[in-house]
Amino acid sequence: QKEVEQDPGPLSVPEGAIVSLNCTYSNSAFQYFMWYRQYSRKGPELLMYTYSSGNKEDGRFTAQVDKSSKYISLFIRDSQPSDSATYLCAMSYGGATNKLIFGTGTLLAVQP
Amino acid sequence: GAVVSQHPSWVICKSGTSVKIECRSLDFQATTMFWYRQFPKQSLMLMATSNEGSKATYEQGVEKDKFLINHASLTLSTLTVTSAHPEDSSFYICSANHRVNTEAFFGQGTRLTVV
Repeated sequence: QKEVEQDPGPLSVPEGAIVSLNCTYSNSAFQYFMWYRQYSRKGPELLMYTYSSGNKEDGRFTAQVDKSSKYISLFIRDSQPSDSATYLCAMSYGGATNKLIFGTGTLLAVQP
Repeated sequence: GAVVSQHPSWVICKSGTSVKIECRSLDFQATTMFWYRQFPKQSLMLMATSNEGSKATYEQGVEKDKFLINHASLTLSTLTVTSAHPEDSSFYICSANHRVNTEAFFGQGTRLTVV
């Protein structure tokens, strides 16, 4: 079993739709949870960063962490064609090295 | 956010040669940098953790003699792929932590093609 599971998609939605992206994980020791957006042939770009459980909102993006269920989500409101990318969840135990464990990524396509 | 610069963005080399990739934190000091490899349609796989002033820590299955990592300063880490082979062709990405227990910032990645 992988430490972090993520549906690879692809996920196709019409412009303006609400997008829900999810990851599950197996290790309850994870403390930090992140979502990255990666365009083709580019490095990942940090979107959201959350410590422990709870919600965090930034513009059209909302990140949720449910540690009791070992489940994290990223919601994108009013999706735009420019949101089309691969979305990677990542998590870490924290500490000095802060090594990240990534999900496989979900490919999202927002159709105009 | 913090900026991490990676160079070159792409490189083509002949089989058997060595290639060096640089990762720089431009506006902050990074005591720890990470090197990842990403194959097409797959996630990032951590290769090694690079610590300034000490030896890198390699993940299981990564050959330390093939992938040489040097972290000579608080703003620069290099990855050298030695005696490259076509199966080493991949997308290599570095990241650096701005501070302890904070988010990692990634470089733009380097597309390596070995012919």
